[in-house]
Amino acid sequence: GQQVMQIPQYQHVQEGEDFTTYCNSSTTLSNIQWYKQRPGGHPVFLIQLVKSGEVKKQKRLTFQFGEAKKNSSLHITATQTTDVGTYFCERGGNTDKLIFGTGTRLQVFP
Amino acid sequence: DTAVSQTPKYLVTQMGNDKSIKCEQNLGHDTMYWYKQDSKKFLKIMFSYNNKELIINETVPNRFSPKSPDKAHLNLHINSLELGDSAVYFCASSQVEGTIYFGEGSWLTVV
Repeated sequence: GQQVMQIPQYQHVQEGEDFTTYCNSSTTLSNIQWYKQRPGGHPVFLIQLVKSGEVKKQKRLTFQFGEAKKNSSLHITATQTTDVGTYFCERGGNTDKLIFGTGTRLQVFP
Repeated sequence: DTAVSQTPKYLVTQMGNDKSIKCEQNLGHDTMYWYKQDSKKFLKIMFSYNNKELIINETVPNRFSPKSPDKAHLNLHINSLELGDSAVYFCASSQVEGTIYFGEGSWLTVV
């Protein structure tokens, strides 16, 4: 089936270090969404990317959509302990809005 | 008010039992979903309902059945529970091509 792979699966960083997770699709995406799930919590929407090459920022978070619309990345600058959680990308578009990436689990050590 | 609410939050039950998880959304969304999250944190779609019509059904055992009495509710019934059914089950809703809003999850443990 259609897969959306994320790398890395796990990332442990020291507080203050940067973090990046990558999302790769085997097919062209109409759009992509990013979600964050805190430990013990539920996924919460962060952002949507639609245009080829799009870059969006939310404070220390930078989201990019690849030129070919097959990959995306989420970069966190100067991580904080509040960034701990699992980050998921999700491929969008009508009936194929059902595929979540495999997730990247971020642990931040103080 | 909670946008997507599901009950119960925790459920411990024996193998072979039948159980249900209820879900309600007050967002006026057209589509509701059930996801299963396993111990590795993979989020897998189980069902999707749009205007009371099942539109996507992944390769889920027929022991699992969604029931939607109206647009705002999508309940999950599970028959003959197995150990491998232990997971967190998330209900969610969205408009077409809109953001997916998740419930807080139901932790199911089968013993």
